[in-house]
Parts: sequence; C-alpha cells; structure tokens
Amino acid sequence: AQSVTQLGSHVSVSEGALVLLRCNYSSSVPPYLFWYVQYPNQGLQLLLKYTSAATLVKGINGFEAEFKKSETSFHLTKPSAHMSDAAEYFCAVSDIYSSASKIIFGSGTRLSIRP
Amino acid sequence: EAGVVQSPRYKIIEKKQPVAFWCNPISGHNTLYWYLQNLGQGPELLIRYENEEAVDDSQLPKDRFSAERLKGVDSTLKIQPAELGDSAVYLCASSLGRDGNEQFFGPGTRLTVL
Repeated sequence: AQSVTQLGSHVSVSEGALVLLRCNYSSSVPPYLFWYVQYPNQGLQLLLKYTSAATLVKGINGFEAEFKKSETSFHLTKPSAHMSDAAEYFCAVSDIYSSASKIIFGSGTRLSIRP
Repeated sequence: EAGVVQSPRYKIIEKKQPVAFWCNPISGHNTLYWYLQNLGQGPELLIRYENEEAVDDSQLPKDRFSAERLKGVDSTLKIQPAELGDSAVYLCASSLGRDGNEQFFGPGTRLTVL
C-alpha cells in the first residue's frame, strides 16, 4: 500500500524566507509523486510532479521538489516566500504501473506567511 | 479552456434529506473522480470512472451514496439520506488517464448537514 506523511500540519515563515514543506512517502513500487496547492474555497492545483525522470522537479510559482529515493522523501521548497504563497499544500503519491490509478493524498500542511 | 465545473458550490440541508452534486469534467477527459475532503484533511477517493464505467468504488459508502456518469461525461453524486458526518467538501476531478496521472480539480461543493 502507498502512503505519504507530511511533517508539520502548519508551517509559518517570514516573507522572503525559505519555504520548506516536508513529505515522506511509502511505496512498494516506483512512485509518481505530486505536490498540490489549495487556496481557500478552491480546488487543488498541481504545483509539480515527479514521474521517474529528473529527480529535481521545478514547478509553478517558483516551487521545486527533489525526489530522494534513499530517504523516501519529496520535500517542497521555494527560496523566497511571498504573501501569495499562503495556502494549504498536499503531497500525494501514485504509482507507475497503473495508467490512472488512485492518488493517495497526505493530510496537508498549511503555510502561513508573516509580513 | 474551461476547467472542471461543479455545482452547487455550497449546500445546507437537514439530516435525513437527500442531496446531489453535479460535475462537468474538462472536455476530452475520460477519467473522472469524486473525492471527499474533511476539514483539515487531504482528499479521499470515493469513486473513479473510466468513461461511464465505475472502475473503483471501494471507498463509496453504498448504503447511502450513489453516483452515475451517464454517457461518460457529466457525473452526479448523491447522498440519501444525509447524516451529520457527511458535512465536508466534495471534490470532482478529471484526467486524461494517461501516464503521470495529472488530475484537474473543480472548486468543490461544501456540504453542511444540520
């Protein structure tokens, strides 16, 4: 069975500071990994995805994530936080053997930005 | 191109009443998903359709929940009767169903059961 664990339900950083949101996954087969963002009263929007190509994945809005198999991690980073980054972030896992398999979401990390 | 459309956006009902949610996926997306999102949690899959066929409904509480996707396009999710614990956001998503599983989400329907 696949799962993801997001460390920290709430992260607060100052504007301009580094953003680091942690995600660890568990999967018995090579995974696909995703980060989604959800703004208040909106659906989820894909930030980036890892599909077994480059281990460093660049996404929208200046975010990137690095797949580390040895650490079973897929942490999300952004060098400099903006106020507009305040939202809920979800890490998710799927697998490469199904063309449209179930995506398992983590419980989310709420990112707050301090002025 | 229009995204995934859901209606209504908000619904307030009393317990034991029926309720229905509607979803129109992105044009050409064969795969459609219904998710349940409780407050402070990630989405949990209720049912997945490939065209008009429900290929994964293992997490759908079939005693009160039902879904359909006639003609393989729009979909409706129904709850009858609703219970207090059903208060949540119901998200619809669609995808091409190909390698990479990128799903596009609608804004959701926030259900409040009183």
